[in-house]
Amino acid sequence: GAVVSQHPSRVICKSGTSVKIECRSLDFQATTMFWYRQFPKKSLMLMATSNEGSKATYEQGVEKDKFLINHASLTLSTLTVTSAHPEDSSFYICSARDHGLASATQYFGPGTRLTVL
Amino acid sequence: AQSVTQPDIHITVSEGASLELRCNYSYGATPYLFWYVQSPGQGLQLLLKYFSGDTLVQGIKGFEAEFKRSQSSFNLRKPSVHWSDAAEYFCAVGQNTGTASKLTFGTGTRLQVTL
Repeated sequence: GAVVSQHPSRVICKSGTSVKIECRSLDFQATTMFWYRQFPKKSLMLMATSNEGSKATYEQGVEKDKFLINHASLTLSTLTVTSAHPEDSSFYICSARDHGLASATQYFGPGTRLTVL
Repeated sequence: AQSVTQPDIHITVSEGASLELRCNYSYGATPYLFWYVQSPGQGLQLLLKYFSGDTLVQGIKGFEAEFKRSQSSFNLRKPSVHWSDAAEYFCAVGQNTGTASKLTFGTGTRLQVTL
């Protein structure tokens, strides 16, 4: 149980284009999902908290107009990197918190490697 | 604000040897504590977690961790390491407020296992 998927696993795009990354909880409902960014050999940096049916909460320093988050259902959140630039190249990981549990446990997806040329 | 310190950036152990990865946290109340493992190019897998109760928690793959409030520590241990345990290990602390429950991660410890 508690499986989270991400799609795509790897994407290469040209500078200036937009890229959408999907995060799905496969066997549980998640009212809250989280989006992280991880630089090479670094820890995870929380970008935003995605809440089903409401606006995402962004961490300080994260551009909300550049990283658009939509959480339209209890099993799907999307992150769209708009007008991508090479400095946006990174490993993006999502996680989901089980709606049915009164706990803080987050289950992570396998990550998406974004390369902007 | 909560924070997590993993003092060891890189640890090398021989296969079959015991392992202890250190984690110290800073949090104003009783924290939720987690250990995750990440293989190269992969997401994070939950090894174990502590919320309350018995301070010695058992996880998957033969790992265990002990919560020591007096030392603000949550060290991860394994009695006999296998070559497949080579990976990056992250300790994390979560808010126990029952709200969004954000996690704060340590900087990670890279484990190398020699044969």
